[in-house]
Amino acid sequence: EPEVTQTPSHQVTQMGQEVILRCVPISNHLYFYWYRQILGQKVEFLVSFYNNEISEKSEIFDDQFSVERPDGSNFTLKIRSTKLEDSAMYFCASSEGVRDHEQYFGPGTRLTVT
Amino acid sequence: AQKVTQAQTEISVVEKEDVTLDCVYETRDTTYYLFWYKQPPSGELVFLIRRNSFDEQNEISGRYSWNFQKSTSSFNFTITASQVVDSAVYFCALSEAEADSSYKLIFGSGTRLLVRP
Repeated sequence: EPEVTQTPSHQVTQMGQEVILRCVPISNHLYFYWYRQILGQKVEFLVSFYNNEISEKSEIFDDQFSVERPDGSNFTLKIRSTKLEDSAMYFCASSEGVRDHEQYFGPGTRLTVT
Repeated sequence: AQKVTQAQTEISVVEKEDVTLDCVYETRDTTYYLFWYKQPPSGELVFLIRRNSFDEQNEISGRYSWNFQKSTSSFNFTITASQVVDSAVYFCALSEAEADSSYKLIFGSGTRLLVRP
C-alpha cells in the first residue's frame, strides 16, 4: 500500500542553524501539507501546497519557513534559522484531491533544537 | 471561526468496556468534513474516518462507531469492547470546504485513551 515517507526520522540541530525536512508524498497525490505537533499538544497546520505554489499558510509559517517541491517526488520544509520553540514533530501529509478525500500522514520527523 | 473541542483530556477504561470520545466543532461553513485520527504511542497519525456535512448517517466499522449530529455540532466516536491495542491519543479534526479553501485540517487537542488489561 502506498504511503507517505519522511526523512530523517529525528533531526537534532543547534539554534540558528538551517534544517530541511523531506517528504515523499504518495505518487498520484496533488495536495501537500505540513503540520507540526509540539510534544504533548495538538497537531497544528503550517502550510498547504498545490500546483507548485502555497495555497494557504498559518500564522506559524513566518518568513523563517519555506516549502518546495524540487522534483516530481519530494516535498521539503525548510526552516532557515531554527529557534528553540521550533522543536516539535513535523508531519507531512498528502491528498489525492480535496473534496471527499482524506489526508494521509507520514510518520513524522522529530526536530530537536538545542 | 473554526474550532474543534475535545473536552476529555484522558480516559482510562478496563479492557472490554465501551468508551465514547466526544468531539464538538464550530464552523460557519455549510460544507465541511469531519475526521478522526488515531495516534498510537509510536507517534504516527492513522486515518480512521471521514464524514461530510451532508451525510449524518451513523457509521459502524467493526468495534468502532461514529455518531454525527449537526444539531449539536458533535461527531462522537465509540469503541465497543475496548482492547489494550486501542490505547492511543485520538484526534478529531475539521476541514472546511468552501471556495478557495485549502482543506487544511483543524485538529482538536486530542483525547488520550488508556485501556488497562
